[in-house]
Amino acid sequence: DGGITQSPKYLFRKEGQNVTLSCEQNLNHDAMYWYRQDPGQGLRLIYYSQIVNDFQKGDIAEGYSVSREKKESFPLTVTSAQKNPTAFYLCASSNAIGQGINQPQHFGDGTRLSIL
Amino acid sequence: AQKVTQAQTEISVVEKEDVTLDCVYETRDTTYYLFWYKQPPSGELVFLIRRNSFDEQNEISGRYSWNFQKSTSSFNFTITASQVVDSAVYFCALESTFGDGTTLTVKP
Repeated sequence: DGGITQSPKYLFRKEGQNVTLSCEQNLNHDAMYWYRQDPGQGLRLIYYSQIVNDFQKGDIAEGYSVSREKKESFPLTVTSAQKNPTAFYLCASSNAIGQGINQPQHFGDGTRLSIL
Repeated sequence: AQKVTQAQTEISVVEKEDVTLDCVYETRDTTYYLFWYKQPPSGELVFLIRRNSFDEQNEISGRYSWNFQKSTSSFNFTITASQVVDSAVYFCALESTFGDGTTLTVKP
């Protein structure tokens, strides 16, 4: 079945450590996204990518980095510079977008990141 | 800057009641897209509907209906004859800007 796979489901980070969250899609979508969700709040966009080898910062990119070397994969690294990384992270993908994010997004099951 | 407000944090209804989830948005763009997503307890968001700013027709899909009013910058979502399986968090989004969500609980 086509879909988005995020791994791991749960992740623990020590102080000063970088961690990488995996996101893979087999929907042949051009665009991919990373969001952060805090308890009782909506999603906030971290980064998005419209094509391979290109990506743009979202609203809360500081302390995060991404890469898009393959169409199917869009890993997110939470660096030690992100001082409050505990959150639920959601990856999404969609068909090609234009000026704005105007396509329905398909979401993965999420990764819950906690600080040890 | 864009903003989406879902004023209802939590709603609780009894099965078979109708329920309306409110969404008000702010944008300076003349062309924009609005979305509703459902987030069940499993966490994965599910797309429900997309509406562009030039299409103010209301839409009905089974027990779901949406009322888009550009004059009041609102895009409300109504569930008719609610069911327990409708219990979830519902998000309204203006492209990549999401509201804080409304938690709907439908009791048997």
